[in-house]
Amino acid sequence: AQRVTQPEKLLSVFKGAPVELKCNYSYSGSPELFWYVQYSRQRLQLLLRHISRESIKGFTADLNKGETSFHLKKPFAQEEDSAMYYCALSRGGSNYKLTFGKGTLLTVNP
Amino acid sequence: GAVVSQHPSRVICKSGTSVKIECRSLDFQATTMFWYRQFPKQSLMLMATSNEGSKATYEQGVEKDKFLINHASLTLSTLTVTSAHPEDSSFYICSARDETRSYNEQFFGPGTRLTVL
Repeated sequence: AQRVTQPEKLLSVFKGAPVELKCNYSYSGSPELFWYVQYSRQRLQLLLRHISRESIKGFTADLNKGETSFHLKKPFAQEEDSAMYYCALSRGGSNYKLTFGKGTLLTVNP
Repeated sequence: GAVVSQHPSRVICKSGTSVKIECRSLDFQATTMFWYRQFPKQSLMLMATSNEGSKATYEQGVEKDKFLINHASLTLSTLTVTSAHPEDSSFYICSARDETRSYNEQFFGPGTRLTVL
């Protein structure tokens, strides 16, 4: 069965500092990886997915199949980035079920 | 676009009663919706996949007779918690997949807080 691990429950950085939220996965096939974000009092929303290889709100994430990782990075954190971040995996193809990590609460201090 | 609503947002019920939660895709059709459960300060746990016009697919360990799912239309799925008990108290979240998009993106509802007394 697939598994998603986010080793950090909490991450606190200062504004302008780089931030990296770690995500490791275990799945023997070719998964699709996602980062979802939940701002305070808001619903969960997609931040980015590995297939699109895009940068959203300054965040990027590269799928490293050798290390089975999909870490989320931003070179200069902003206070509005403070939120709960979830890494998620789907098995790809027509299997759309998502397996979520436990999430990392990012706090960006002024 | 791609908005998912849930109703009610919060419900309190007595032990032994049944509670129905609705999940609607407001501006797109969804043949597939998902129901999650989230415990305090924990991750989302997939409970079941709701399929329009057919039976839901439940994850291992989820009682299908306890959590009844009906997906009677392309924009509505309902989750009924039958004979609710305090241990069913949780945050229930639904998501819907917009099949017009070429990639797998799920849109999430705001969640329903269920408290069973």
